[in-house]
Order: sequence, then C-alpha cells, then structure tokens
Amino acid sequence: ETGVTQTPRHLVMGMTNKKSLKCEQHLGHNAMYWYKQSAKKPLELMFVYSLEERVENNSVPSRFSPECPNSSHLFLHLHTLQPEDSALYLCASSPGGWAEQYFGPGTRLTVT
Amino acid sequence: QKEVEQNSGPLSVPEGAIASLNCTYSDRGSQSFFWYRQYSGKSPELIMSIYSNGDKEDGRFTAQLNKASQYVSLLIRDSQPSDSATYLCAGMNNNAGNMLTFGGGTRLMVKP
Repeated sequence: ETGVTQTPRHLVMGMTNKKSLKCEQHLGHNAMYWYKQSAKKPLELMFVYSLEERVENNSVPSRFSPECPNSSHLFLHLHTLQPEDSALYLCASSPGGWAEQYFGPGTRLTVT
Repeated sequence: QKEVEQNSGPLSVPEGAIASLNCTYSDRGSQSFFWYRQYSGKSPELIMSIYSNGDKEDGRFTAQLNKASQYVSLLIRDSQPSDSATYLCAGMNNNAGNMLTFGGGTRLMVKP
C-alpha cells in the first residue's frame, strides 16, 4: 500500500471496551499526528510525534493514549470512552518542518 | 486563541463558473497555509500550499495570500460538479511547533 493507511476503518465499541487504532505511513516522513473530527467542528489536533518523540498533547483526556514505536507506525489506544468520543479519527504524516501533512482515510469510531 | 475562520456555506456556483473560497486567520505568526478538499465521508486531501504573499496557480486552482490582511483564498476556475466538497483552510505557525490550525471548512456545491 502507499501513502498513509489506517485500520480499522470502522469501529463500534462499548464504554468499557479497550481497543486500538493503527496508522502506518509509507512516505518516509518524520512526523505523525492524530486528529479528531466531529460533526460541525473543525479538525482538532490530539497528538504530535516528531522523530518518535511526542511533542504535543492538546489537553486530550487520558482515556486516549498514543504510542509511536517507530517513525512509520502510530497507535491510539482507547479505553473507557464516552459516547461524545464518537468521531472520525484521522492520522496524518509530514516530512516535518514547514511541510504539508498527508492524511490517512480515517477510522469512524462509534461509542455505544 | 489562534483561529482560522471560514464561512461554512454552502457556496453554490454553476458549472463552469469561478468558485471563490475565503479564509481569515488571527495568528500573525502563521507563515504557511494549506487548502484541503474533503469529500463527504472521506479524509482531507491536500490541494495547495502557499507560503508567500501573492498568487500561486496549479491547474484550475489559484491560492492567494495576503499576510497584511491575514487573508487566504482559493479560486477554482471552470468549476465542475466533481469539485463539490468541503474545503478546509489551515495555517501553520512555523515558530510554534509546526502545528496546523484548521478552519471549519466551506461546503462548495457546483450545480450542473
């Protein structure tokens, strides 16, 4: 595959479940990002990793836990989520610096 | 609060017309700007990037940047029904961790 891939594409989970979202970039980029997109709200930056180190955590609740084992992979671990966490979760990567970001297809998450 | 503002629309134009999408930003430190296109249910796709004042053309798309007025625009010439989507404007403060701040998007409808 090419570009930025995300799995799963759709996820339904209960509030007591634990699940993980996976992102993989095949572009040789140095930075990776997690965004949340809710209906009628701008894209919200959640986490940023640059060269596998977390450089930004935008006051995201601790029920979201990121992991970046290497520059090509990014995970978002989810536990005890709330219904308001239902959204499209987007992963992006960039070469870093001033460069543009490229998005994966997203995971549509529904919390029941 | 650093903001990027866009009219949510919908902006309706006839096929073949010029669509003009506008964006204002509050962070004077923003130096790089990006336009993304997002089809319903899909992830954002990069269309244009612009870094200096003036116009930048790429095919049917022209991005315009006026840093003094804190204004960015995207012109789409010869609009096609396939251009119907939500267009997201994003700004980056290159001195603040290279984080993108997104506007809420403008929905464009091109009518045959």
